[in-house]
Amino acid sequence: KAGVTQTPRYLIKTRGQQVTLSCSPISGHRSVSWYQQTPGQGLQFLFEYFSETQRNKGNFPGRFSGRQFSNSRSEMNVSTLELGDSALYLCASTTIGGGPGELFFGEGSRLTVL
Amino acid sequence: ELKVEQNPLFLSMQEGKNYTIYCNYSTTSDRLYWYRQDPGKSLESLFVLLSNGAVKQEGRLMASLDTKARLSTLHITAAVHDLSATYFCAVPHQLGGGADGLTFGKGTHLIIQP
Repeated sequence: KAGVTQTPRYLIKTRGQQVTLSCSPISGHRSVSWYQQTPGQGLQFLFEYFSETQRNKGNFPGRFSGRQFSNSRSEMNVSTLELGDSALYLCASTTIGGGPGELFFGEGSRLTVL
Repeated sequence: ELKVEQNPLFLSMQEGKNYTIYCNYSTTSDRLYWYRQDPGKSLESLFVLLSNGAVKQEGRLMASLDTKARLSTLHITAAVHDLSATYFCAVPHQLGGGADGLTFGKGTHLIIQP
């Protein structure tokens, strides 16, 4: 079955702009989480959504936000971009309740802020 | 705060040799995940370790979990070049699975030379 799909794969923005990234989870997965990966900080948890509700949030400023739609697709938004927001943004999906709780990751959206 | 430490962070080894990557974590967890990442790519799930004493093997890789010691190991047997990648361990923020977020180690960058 199809994996986690993220769009766009690559994008370049300038400081002060905003960006929206999209994630379609594996069919049947209702939990979607987002991670930021940078060379300096590694992989860091941004937030997690289930049934259109944000259940958990990592230690990121309010410029980072997200939402989930009724079909479990999710978007994340970063406003007022800073140079330090340049990163690979990874989306992951998983099932809820029972099972191993394994996360399946998409290919990521690579954001460059100039 | 959950901390996950991997060592070594960099490892260069020759084909045919054996080596072990260690992953220590700071709080109680009932499971641990290992992922592989190739350059410019996303995270590929390798192992899900769900209980104390769990051992899983796939090809030349074997992972184990000791929840009492809060330690997991990833053992590489008779390394081949194709295993060159970065390996991450990850621990769920809460018992019961990864949907609530994972804390990742810094990753072990493994280079296997002929």
